Amino acid sequence: DTAVSQTPKYLVTQMGNDKSIKCEQNLGHDTMYWYKQDSKKFLKIMFSYNNKELIINETVPNRFSPKSPDKAHLNLHINSLELGDSAVYFCASSQVSGRISGELFFGEGSRLTVL
Amino acid sequence: QKEVEQDPGPLSVPEGAIVSLNCTYSNSAFQYFMWYRQYSRKGPELLMYTYSSGNKEDGRFTAQVDKSSKYISLFIRDSQPSDSATYLCAMNNQGGKLIFGQGTELSVKP
Repeated sequence: DTAVSQTPKYLVTQMGNDKSIKCEQNLGHDTMYWYKQDSKKFLKIMFSYNNKELIINETVPNRFSPKSPDKAHLNLHINSLELGDSAVYFCASSQVSGRISGELFFGEGSRLTVL
Repeated sequence: QKEVEQDPGPLSVPEGAIVSLNCTYSNSAFQYFMWYRQYSRKGPELLMYTYSSGNKEDGRFTAQVDKSSKYISLFIRDSQPSDSATYLCAMNNQGGKLIFGQGTELSVKP
């Protein structure tokens, strides 16, 4: 039974399109995250939600809009896709926020390719 | 300068070798230090976790933290082909964001 699951795993699309990635966790965690991993494996936080409330919003273009309908789900919508958006997007969850222990549970990633 | 620096490799070693992976950091407020392992086409998974300075051992893996030098290490003894992966260091202070290093790609050859 997958703990953190993301869909789709692969996404190939044209510049200018809009796409969404969905994430669900069944660990009962309060906090969920979106990370972006570039081609050099550099993993950078984009957003964090704690119990549906946005708590971390890094310097990310406003074409990226996260949405958390409940604490088990965190989706990412991207408008007007650009070539530079090509990356692997990871969803993660953790038990607590604020007193972050660092134990994040990651999904398998959604590999986005913008042509 | 990045907050966390890690040599991306790649690092190739023969099976059975001792592997040393390292990160340096600039923020003296960091207190929690982690190593994540990421297999190809998978998400990172927590491997080792250390609070403040000192050593921690788990089987073939040993994590070391030297806060005075702002330097952390992961040692893998008797490395196996199944250890081939990218190893990412990560760290934060209480209430702070988790900052990752770039990751070191390790290949253990049979």
